[in-house]
Amino acid sequence: KQEVTQIPAALSVPEGENLVLNCSFTDSAIYNLQWFRQDPGKGLTSLLLIQSSQREQTSGRLNASLDKSSGRSTLYIAASQPGDSATYLCARQNTNAGKSTFGDGTTLTVKP
Amino acid sequence: NAGVMQNPRHLVRRRGQEARLRCSPMKGHSHVYWYRQLPEEGLKFMVYLQKENIIDESGMPKERFSAEFPKEGPSILRIQQVVRGDSAAYFCASSPGTDYEQYFGPGTRLTVT
Repeated sequence: KQEVTQIPAALSVPEGENLVLNCSFTDSAIYNLQWFRQDPGKGLTSLLLIQSSQREQTSGRLNASLDKSSGRSTLYIAASQPGDSATYLCARQNTNAGKSTFGDGTTLTVKP
Repeated sequence: NAGVMQNPRHLVRRRGQEARLRCSPMKGHSHVYWYRQLPEEGLKFMVYLQKENIIDESGMPKERFSAEFPKEGPSILRIQQVVRGDSAAYFCASSPGTDYEQYFGPGTRLTVT
């Protein structure tokens, strides 16, 4: 069974701290790995997409890495801000299968 | 190029009624995926469709749920005789093909009273 696990389920940090969110997955037949942000009651905002041939992607204060051999992806957030408070979801898309499999998310709270 | 569109954004149904959720994919996209997010849970895959074909419905409940993606018009997710447990956010995504990034719509939030 292809599963995606995100640890921790919840994280609370003071403003300004650097932090890492973890995503692990089974099965290396991965096409891409995508990180999303979801605010309460809202839709998904795509943050970063890493193709299977890539190792990392960066956008502003965000950096996502992908290690297919160990089945892990990390999302690094630098200098966290209260506006970063949200639930972060990772999703893997499998080769030739179309659908994405999501983790249950990490809910981040950044305290001012 | 407009993004993936879903309507309605919010839908309230009484128990036993039917719910119809619509998804218009991005222009040029012929692949549609439906996902459901139950309260306090992650997104779970429901069904994958191409024009006029269901490719993978392994995540669809066996009863009351159906999906279609006709040659013309939006994809429809239909839930018959809704129950309170169907209350959730339903997201659709589209892509131009299997090995392409999926683009997600804003979701339809279904509330069953």
